Amino acid sequence: DVKVTQSSRYLVKRTGEKVFLECVQDMDHENMFWYRQDPGLGLRLIYFSYDVKMKEKGDIPEGYSVSREKKERFSLILESASTNQTSMYLCASSLWVAGGRNTIYFGEGSWLTVV
Amino acid sequence: DQQVKQNSPSLSVQEGRISILNCDYTNSMFDYFLWYKKYPAEGPTFLISISSIKDKNEDGRFTVFLNKSAKHLSLHIVPSQPGDSAVYFCAAVAGGFKTIFGAGTRLFVKA
Repeated sequence: DVKVTQSSRYLVKRTGEKVFLECVQDMDHENMFWYRQDPGLGLRLIYFSYDVKMKEKGDIPEGYSVSREKKERFSLILESASTNQTSMYLCASSLWVAGGRNTIYFGEGSWLTVV
Repeated sequence: DQQVKQNSPSLSVQEGRISILNCDYTNSMFDYFLWYKKYPAEGPTFLISISSIKDKNEDGRFTVFLNKSAKHLSLHIVPSQPGDSAVYFCAAVAGGFKTIFGAGTRLFVKA
């Protein structure tokens, strides 16, 4: 079974704080992703990475950065947290498959509240 | 601009009947489609997928249909069970990396 582990399930941070969300996968997947889930908006892609030290912006990268120093680990960084970043954050990973038939696997999510 | 649309925010179905969840997409470059199921406070779990070269894929009680000309796919659950109550997300992949999700449909299966 694919295991994607997010280090923190529930966090409360203050406005302006720097926040780190950590994610580890144990299946040697090349691709890793960060999404956020908000009511009525579904899952929106923040950043993804297809290899170590590689990163690509998703649909809503503003206010976020990422780090991928090791294949199994993908970190999401909120440089200066704001209240509109209160959300559920989901990390995911997938194997690169020729033909693009990627199935991505999610972690359990991290609930971040910024006050 | 939403490339993957789930126009029904919620659906209520009686236990034992068929649930049909719908999804429309706009990007003709999408070549792989997936459905995910999500319970509250958990991450989404993969349910079923279909490649653009097929028009139907079946796995037990779950069947996904793809109509490429209409840019439409649907998920059928037969028979529906109370444990199927969850949010269902439609997703599409283009170019092998980027997976785009719809807004989700909340399914209620009444006992």
